[in-house]
Amino acid sequence: GAVVSQHPSRVICKSGTSVKIECRSLDFQATTMFWYRQFPKKSLMLMATSNEGSKATYEQGVEKDKFLINHASLTLSTLTVTSAHPEDSSFYICSARSSGSIQPQHFGDGTRLSIL
Amino acid sequence: SQQGEEDPQALSIQEGENATMNCSYKTSINNLQWYRQNSGRGLVHLILIRSNEREKHSGRLRVTLDTSKKSSSLLITASRAADTASYFCATAGGNNRLAFGKGNQVVVIP
Repeated sequence: GAVVSQHPSRVICKSGTSVKIECRSLDFQATTMFWYRQFPKKSLMLMATSNEGSKATYEQGVEKDKFLINHASLTLSTLTVTSAHPEDSSFYICSARSSGSIQPQHFGDGTRLSIL
Repeated sequence: SQQGEEDPQALSIQEGENATMNCSYKTSINNLQWYRQNSGRGLVHLILIRSNEREKHSGRLRVTLDTSKKSSSLLITASRAADTASYFCATAGGNNRLAFGKGNQVVVIP
């Protein structure tokens, strides 16, 4: 149980385009979803926390207009990287947690984003 | 230790040996969690230890927590080649968001 599906797994696109990444909880209701960014051989950096039906809470230094997050249902959150540039190239990982803050987070398999 | 500015720790062991890795943190916590990440993949939750617990077991995993020293250890007994991965500790504080350490890269040689 507790499966999180993230799509796409890999995307390569030109600078200036916008890219949407989906994160779905397949067998549980995710009241809270998290979006992380990971650089090579580095740890995960939390970008934002989203609760279903409300605006995402962004971490300091993360541009909310650059990284648009939507959490419209209890099973789906999306991250849109707008007007992507090469410096946005990274590994993006989502996680989902059911109600109860003590619950562990369940992670998607990540999206490798490469901006040319 | 995982947190701070140091590079990720790397550990290379023979199959069958035990692997021990450590994690240190700086703030007060509600719980500490260990995750595994295979190369290019997401994270898999391994074990959660609450701040009032000192030791926890799950299969071949043993986790300890010393809140006075703000440190935790993860022991993998009788390691297998499939245990090759990066292992991260993550602390959950009052806001229950996770703060991840830099990770330990473990290579188990068959």
